[in-house]
Amino acid sequence: TQLLEQSPQFLSIQEGENLTVYCNSSSVFSSLQWYRQEPGEGPVLLVTVVTGGEVKKLKRLTFQFGDARKDSSLHITAAQPGDTGLYLCAGELPTGNQFYFGTGTSLTVIP
Amino acid sequence: ETGVTQSPTHLIKTRGQQVTLRCSSQSGHNTVSWYQQALGQGPQFIFQYYREEENGRGNFPPRFSGLQFPNYSSELNVNALELDDSALYLCASSSGLANEQFFGPGTRLTVL
Repeated sequence: TQLLEQSPQFLSIQEGENLTVYCNSSSVFSSLQWYRQEPGEGPVLLVTVVTGGEVKKLKRLTFQFGDARKDSSLHITAAQPGDTGLYLCAGELPTGNQFYFGTGTSLTVIP
Repeated sequence: ETGVTQSPTHLIKTRGQQVTLRCSSQSGHNTVSWYQQALGQGPQFIFQYYREEENGRGNFPPRFSGLQFPNYSSELNVNALELDDSALYLCASSSGLANEQFFGPGTRLTVL
């Protein structure tokens, strides 16, 4: 059983469209991270959220941590082909020492 | 500042063999975590080393073992390889037990 479920699993959109990726769990996390991974490379950290309800913006990307710290979302405005990649959320349990990754969302932005 | 490096990049082994993967942590980082990423899935936590001691372990059998050296580089050893061990093995380093991890490019292991 996966601790973190991401949806959708696959997403193919046209350049300029908006999209939202969801990361859900029944567990509470002390922090949650979002990564982007390109083929043949390791994940690259985009953002870390720690406080319930927290919203962070990174250019066209908006990240939100749920009030109960069990879920998160990533919203991309006006997607560009350079946004193509595998988006992963990862949660750290309050017990610490481990990050649990989500199932991943593969995003393709078509020019 | 040097990032996280891993070697080798690719590796092909046969079932039953043993393999050692290596990771050099980012400068100033004393914590290394290892992950297994099967094709099309998210990384699965194997274990973490902090100051040369194992500091947490995921749901992996004992044939997955590791080491961390005084310079904080690390090794992942897998004995009695199985076909299902074929995956991308990722190493991530961080400073202390801080929650910001930096990943290496990974080692692609294929078991035939």
